[in-house]
Formats: sequence, structure tokens, C-alpha cells
Amino acid sequence: AQTVTQSQPEMSVQEAETVTLSCTYDTSESDYYLFWYKQPPSRQMILVIRQEAYKQQNATENRFSVNFQKAAKSFSLKISDSQLGDAAMYFCAYRSAFQGAQKLVFGQGTRLTINP
Amino acid sequence: NAGVTQTPKFQVLKTGQSMTLQCAQDMNHEYMSWYRQDPGMGLRLIHYSVGAGITDQGEVPNGYNVSRSTTEDFPLRLLSAAPSQTSVYFCASKKGTETLGEQYFGPGTRLTVT
Repeated sequence: AQTVTQSQPEMSVQEAETVTLSCTYDTSESDYYLFWYKQPPSRQMILVIRQEAYKQQNATENRFSVNFQKAAKSFSLKISDSQLGDAAMYFCAYRSAFQGAQKLVFGQGTRLTINP
Repeated sequence: NAGVTQTPKFQVLKTGQSMTLQCAQDMNHEYMSWYRQDPGMGLRLIHYSVGAGITDQGEVPNGYNVSRSTTEDFPLRLLSAAPSQTSVYFCASKKGTETLGEQYFGPGTRLTVT
């Protein structure tokens, strides 16, 4: 079974600075997808960024980018120019690319605080 | 287009009571699922469905029942509530044919069992 580990329960960063959230995963599969979700105090789960394992290029969405290291099974999220609205819980998630697979496996989450 | 809706938003139950958490989506998504979120444990899959009439167990199915009689609705039933079921419950849906497709989450239901 696949597992996802986020080893940083809490992180904080000064507004406008850059912060990196860590995620490692364990799988025997060669093809899969990785995701970062944001959960603000409203509880709504919001997809931030996604990565296909067979693509070597790291995904980028505006101020959010990932560092995907397939051999190391690492998938970190970098937030540049942090804003107060970035404060939230962040979850890393894995999904198999096996045909028909739909289930997400989540990490424990990292609570990000932005200091003004 | 309302997306994924869940009712109620909050619920308090006594041990032994039963109830149904409602989930509906209007995006014609084949895949629907239920997760529970507990502090320090992320979201864990309870049950899921790949289409009307088809359901299967996830990681933590004990104490919960589901059915999928229509594409739109995927209710979660607590048969006899226990304090260990105190949690926040999320319903999600996804278009089944999109391998990298996004899972859309509902706003969640906070359940407290006393």
C-alpha cells in the first residue's frame, strides 16, 4: 500500500518570503500522480498543484512550484512571495495511475502560518 | 453549477444514534468518495463508488454504509454512532475518465458524537 508522509506538522514564514513544505511517499508503482491541496480555515479543500510522475519537468502554478525527485520519492512544495492568504493546512496526496484508480492517499498535513 | 454539496454542515449525535450524511454533485461525475479528517492524520478514505450501483470499501469502512442509486447522490450512513466517529467528513467527486482529473471536495460536515 502507498503511504504519504509530511514530516513538518507546522511551518511559519514572513510575508513576501519563500517557504518549502516537504512530502515523501512510498510506492512500488512507476506511474502515479501527486497533488498538493490547501485547506484554509473555511475547511474547503482546494487543489494547488499536480504532477505526473512520468513528467520530469516540475509543475508550476504562479507562485507555487514543486520539486519532484522521483528516485528519492520526494515531492516538496515551494511557495514564493508568501501572502497572508496562503495561511492554511497543506496536504500532499498520491494517486495511482493504474487504469481505474481514483483513490487519493493523503499525508498528515502541514499547518502554514504567515507572519506579517 | 453548485459542485459538491454536503448536508448538514454540523451535527451532534449521542452514542448509538444513527444518521445519514448527504452528498450530491451536479457535474455528472462517475467517481464519488467519502473521507474523514482527524487531527494529525490527514484525510482517510471511508468508501467510494465508481458509478451508480457500484461501491467499495476504503481504508476505514467499519461503522459506515454507503449506497449509490443515482449518479448524483452518495449518502454515508452511520449505523450506530460511536465517539470514535467524531470527525470532519468530506465528500468528493471526480470525472472518471480523466486520469489526471481534479477531485472536487464538498465543504465538509463536522460530526460530534457524545
